[in-house]
Amino acid sequence: EDQVTQSPEALRLQEGESSSLNCSYTVSGLRGLFWYRQDPGKGPEFLFTLYSAGEEKEKERLKATLTKKESFLHITAPKPEDSATYLCAVRDYGQNFVFGPGTRLSVLP
Amino acid sequence: DSGVTQTPKHLITATGQRVTLRCSPRSGDLSVYWYQQSLDQGLQFLIQYYNGEERAKGNILERFSAQQFPDLHSELNLSSLELGDSALYFCASSMWQNTEAFFGQGTRLTVV
Repeated sequence: EDQVTQSPEALRLQEGESSSLNCSYTVSGLRGLFWYRQDPGKGPEFLFTLYSAGEEKEKERLKATLTKKESFLHITAPKPEDSATYLCAVRDYGQNFVFGPGTRLSVLP
Repeated sequence: DSGVTQTPKHLITATGQRVTLRCSPRSGDLSVYWYQQSLDQGLQFLIQYYNGEERAKGNILERFSAQQFPDLHSELNLSSLELGDSALYFCASSMWQNTEAFFGQGTRLTVV
């Protein structure tokens, strides 16, 4: 059974204080790892797709990387508007699309 | 706006009742996914359809069922509702089976 874990569960940063979020996965044949951002009461917003180890994607202050067992979401010089829950998801060859529990990020001004 | 439309946005119903949630995917997307998110809980994968056919099933209760119609919209039917079924129900769609999925804004179901 696919498993996705994320750490830390919650993270508080000062504005401008860079950090990384971790997503570890166990999957029977990876067909993609996905990062989403979710604000309270809203639907998840797509950020990145990664397909193979060594791949990196970047968008504004966010950068996602992928290894064979985990992915990192690096946040550089975050701003208060980056506060949200960040979700990692994996798709396997059986088409299951499983999400991790998320990391709640708070960026304080 | 993701392009995925879910209706209704809010639904309040009594225990034992049956409800239908509707999802219109983004134009051109063939896959539809349904998720349940209870208060302060993660997204629980329920079921996936691709071009009208069921392709993957997660932790979906027997009281729940779904289908995808020829015009690609999908419906999630929840019956014999219990208090614990109160949650946000999200629909997502993707063009192919291995590409990113885009989520609707959800239907908030409250069972009283």
